[in-house]
Amino acid sequence: QTVVTQEPSLTVSPGGTVTLTCASSTGAVNSGYYPNWFQQKPGEPPRALIYSTTIKHYWTPARFSGSLLGGKAALTLSGVQPEDEADYYCLLYYGGTWAFGGGTKLTVL
Amino acid sequence: QVQLVESGGGVVQPGRSLRLSCAASGFIFSSNAIHWVRQSPGKGPEWVAVTSYGGTKAYYADSVKGRFTISRDNSKNTVYLQMNSLRPEDTAVYYCARDSVDILELGPGYWGQGTLVTVSS
Repeated sequence: QTVVTQEPSLTVSPGGTVTLTCASSTGAVNSGYYPNWFQQKPGEPPRALIYSTTIKHYWTPARFSGSLLGGKAALTLSGVQPEDEADYYCLLYYGGTWAFGGGTKLTVL
Repeated sequence: QVQLVESGGGVVQPGRSLRLSCAASGFIFSSNAIHWVRQSPGKGPEWVAVTSYGGTKAYYADSVKGRFTISRDNSKNTVYLQMNSLRPEDTAVYYCARDSVDILELGPGYWGQGTLVTVSS
């Protein structure tokens, strides 16, 4: 059973920078896992932010960026805004199937 | 613009079946893989299944394999999720989502609003 692990919670100050990570129980995450990142606010469906590690959707604010960092997929928010407070989920590809991480609750305080 | 509208949710008894539909518009339907993702109350999303753009390939999460079947009718711009032998743990909002890119499968980029399935006696 594949497990995708994210930090359960992080706190960042407005205007600050924070990095969320996404690890796989199968080993180091690389571009072949096509990491995706999603933002979800209460009562809404998840909103896609990043796919294939680094590619942003046209609606994704410039302050969001994706990368690989130390064997994990990473989502960095630079110049955090109050409206970035939300749950963030990563999604990894496993040769046909996909698996979500447990999510990171980001608090902007 | 891309629109995905799920339907077919409701309350169903354990062991029974239900078929969800996902009606798509605003893009060339036959060019994109479509995913189903579900989310139980208070939990994170769980990827369920994907059908390739042509409908020739389908993949499933272990939790639904052998019970759920994904299919598509490109003439009707609709994807289906046939759910058999339903269990209480299948209770969730079910979302359909178009892949982020044409032809390939790089992840669900465009999401519908979801339909609620409740499995309870």
